[in-house]
Amino acid sequence: TQLLEQSPQFLSIQEGENLTVYCNSSSVFSSLQWYRQEPGEGPVLLVTVVTGGEVKKLKRLTFQFGDARKDSSLHITAAQPGDTGLYLCAGVDSSYKLIFGSGTRLLVRP
Amino acid sequence: GAVVSQHPSRVICKSGTSVKIECRSLDFQATTMFWYRQFPKQSLMLMATSNEGSKATYEQGVEKDKFLINHASLTLSTLTVTSAHPEDSSFYICSARDLLWAKNIQYFGAGTRLSVL
Repeated sequence: TQLLEQSPQFLSIQEGENLTVYCNSSSVFSSLQWYRQEPGEGPVLLVTVVTGGEVKKLKRLTFQFGDARKDSSLHITAAQPGDTGLYLCAGVDSSYKLIFGSGTRLLVRP
Repeated sequence: GAVVSQHPSRVICKSGTSVKIECRSLDFQATTMFWYRQFPKQSLMLMATSNEGSKATYEQGVEKDKFLINHASLTLSTLTVTSAHPEDSSFYICSARDLLWAKNIQYFGAGTRLSVL
């Protein structure tokens, strides 16, 4: 069974601080995606990383895929209250199904 | 961008009744749709993969007679929760994969919150 563990599970920070969320697995994925989900809504895709070692930036968000394609990280610079939400990583398995991580709930206080 | 519509967004029903949830791809054809379940403060768990014109593939531990899936057209899949009980209360989310785009991209609906009294 493929599992994706995210850490931390919950993070409460002050506006302006930086943070990093980790997504780890013992399995290799063909690609990995990061989503953000707000209460009562479906997840919204932020990024897809495909190549081991790949780094992608989306404004204040930086995503990195591990060299072995088993882990990933999401770094947010100067967090804002609008970044509050549930962040989910998801590995794409060999049959193109998404295996979602355990989730990180982020609260950015003004 | 691709839009997936899920209906209803919220449903409250009595124990023992059946509830149908619709998932439509509005501007693309989806040969494959997925149904997920999400408990409060938890992640998404894949329930089943729905393929147009064929039987759905259920994940281990998901009762196929309890959660009936029909994918009769390239733009519509339905999930019916039969004889719902309070433990079926959850947030159900569908997603669809565009026939023409990358296989690793799924477009998600806004979810349906089911509350069984």
